[in-house]
Amino acid sequence: DAMVIQNPRYQVTQFGKPVTLSCSQTLNHNVMYWYQQKSSQAPKLLFHYYDKDFNNEADTPDNFQSRRPNTSFCFLDIRSPGLGDAAMYLCATSRDRFSNQPQHFGDGTRLSIL
Amino acid sequence: AQTVTQSQPEMSVQEAETVTLSCTYDTSESDYYLFWYKQPPSRQMILVIRQEAYKQQNATENRFSVNFQKAAKSFSLKISDSQLGDAAMYFCAYRSARNANTDKLIFGTGTRLQVFP
Repeated sequence: DAMVIQNPRYQVTQFGKPVTLSCSQTLNHNVMYWYQQKSSQAPKLLFHYYDKDFNNEADTPDNFQSRRPNTSFCFLDIRSPGLGDAAMYLCATSRDRFSNQPQHFGDGTRLSIL
Repeated sequence: AQTVTQSQPEMSVQEAETVTLSCTYDTSESDYYLFWYKQPPSRQMILVIRQEAYKQQNATENRFSVNFQKAAKSFSLKISDSQLGDAAMYFCAYRSARNANTDKLIFGTGTRLQVFP
């Protein structure tokens, strides 16, 4: 089945130690998104890629970066994680932007900071 | 800026009964899409139903239907014949049909639905 796969499911890192979360998709969708979801809150968009075009949300901290080396893969890099960055990180894809097509979500990566 | 409000943090329903989850939104745009997503505990978020703002007819997907009131900016979800597997967090979400700045789902804070046997 075509899907969105996030690895790992659970990630533990130390305060200030860089961490990378990965996302892959077999849907061949043009758009890939990264959302941050803190406990009992709604997901909040960090940034998205439309093909190779990177679109950062205005309020996304500089600590968060992303890479999309090809259509299938997208990475979320947190350069110096703080305690406030502990959250579920959701990757999603969409065939196109600004459309009625649904976003397809992965299972998420739960990040804990020690 | 667009906002989405879900005023019911928690709802409960008995199996086989009907429940309605509320959602209101605020926007100055005329063209947009609305979605209901379901997020079961520790499982991925999946689409339940979607509605195009330009369509007057309410969307229906099997046991799930919406009541879309564009003038009132209301988009409620009705679940008929509730099943135990419907227990989850439900998010209402808004997406612009055209916006040069950003493309994203704007989510409400969610409603946790419990289904009792």
